[in-house]
Amino acid sequence: AAGVIQSPRHLIKEKRETATLKCYPIPRHDTVYWYQQGPGQDPQFLISFYEKMQSDKGSIPDRFSAQQFSDYHSELNMSSLELGDSALYFCASSPRTGANTGELFFGEGSRLTVL
Amino acid sequence: AQSVAQPEDQVNVAEGNPLTVKCTYSVSGNPYLFWYVQYPNRGLQFLLKYITGDNLVKGSYGFEAEFNKSQTSFHLKKPSALVSDSALYFCAVRDRWYSGGGADGLTFGKGTHLIIQP
Repeated sequence: AAGVIQSPRHLIKEKRETATLKCYPIPRHDTVYWYQQGPGQDPQFLISFYEKMQSDKGSIPDRFSAQQFSDYHSELNMSSLELGDSALYFCASSPRTGANTGELFFGEGSRLTVL
Repeated sequence: AQSVAQPEDQVNVAEGNPLTVKCTYSVSGNPYLFWYVQYPNRGLQFLLKYITGDNLVKGSYGFEAEFNKSQTSFHLKKPSALVSDSALYFCAVRDRWYSGGGADGLTFGKGTHLIIQP
């Protein structure tokens, strides 16, 4: 079965650079979530989109932005990167009914390292 | 606000013995509860969920969890542990009455490392 696809899987950037992560949800899933998981930490909710509109916002820094496109894929843009942004970034998707119960399907994550 | 507590950073169990990973939660309304498992450098895999109905829910890989409303707990259990069960386990909660268009993220606990010793 198709899963959530994230790219790139690994990314290394310097401080103050910009990074973009991409997420392709499971087909027919219209809701996308972004999570950040620091080393040894639990996943922290950043932002979510439903039908291309921002649906909810968590602990996403102002330096970060995201959007969902017409094909439902989503991109997380991170600017002025800081060392503390080094983390595993997960994208998750769910169908509308799943969104009501909260069952999310996660990608394998994109590991960002900021040097 | 909703929160999840996993009181044990690590649980060690001998292979073949029963295992329990503890989780307690706090929500303002009624909860949706979940368990996810994460293997090293991998994404989170859904194990099971409690939405409504029977308090004992069964999930993947022989895991089950019992919802206890009075104790606000949702402990993960398995009758006989396997070495391959060794992983990081996350409990998560969502307030059922959240009205944010159904697109709110889950709130996760800090995770519990489960180590199954041969």
